[in-house]
Amino acid sequence: DAKTTQPPSMDCAEGRAANLPCNHSTISGNEYVYWYRQIHSQGPQYIIHGLKNNETNEMASLIITEDRKSSTLILPHATLRDTAVYYCIVRVVYIGNTPLVFGKGTRLSVIA
Amino acid sequence: NAGVTQTPKFRVLKTGQSMTLLCAQDMNHEYMYWYRQDPGMGLRLIHYSVGEGTTAKGEVPDGYNVSRLKKQNFLLGLESAAPSQTSVYFCASISPPPWDRAQPQHFGDGTRLSIL
Repeated sequence: DAKTTQPPSMDCAEGRAANLPCNHSTISGNEYVYWYRQIHSQGPQYIIHGLKNNETNEMASLIITEDRKSSTLILPHATLRDTAVYYCIVRVVYIGNTPLVFGKGTRLSVIA
Repeated sequence: NAGVTQTPKFRVLKTGQSMTLLCAQDMNHEYMYWYRQDPGMGLRLIHYSVGEGTTAKGEVPDGYNVSRLKKQNFLLGLESAAPSQTSVYFCASISPPPWDRAQPQHFGDGTRLSIL
């Protein structure tokens, strides 16, 4: 699986959009981009994933650049409950049984 | 987290003691995983299973054993606990997707294990 690079920490004002970047310059054509978050040592929570098109769900939007070498997770209206560590992971769809590989992520602090 | 249940939630052991952590999922998932998370670090894979009766080693398997006797349960065992195994342990599961789709892993809420 391709390696990802994320900033170690970010701050965001409550009510504003939080934009979390991720670089994955070695991503291959069959690798998806996944985003998870972990709130206060709870189990990781799935947020969103995508292959090459931008994706949106009830939690967030995922913007993937045309060359797929980077992506941005957008929380449109951050709240204090969005304070968490956010993980960007790239991996292939199951061809075999490769599990998710978590790095250190980005610690997002939402400030009132 | 709906669907993946870990027991116990907390445990304190003495060095050399043994114990088993249980992960149960009710989503009929084929694949299950055990991770550990140490302070300030991301999750690291210990062992995983791609189906009933099968297990495989992950990134940090030493000192742990696993079993998958039933599809819904994945057990993580510590035969002789060491202080270095003090950590938070997470279980996850996923069902193999159709080949044209990707699926997210579902995680339990963790077991906090301290070894004195």
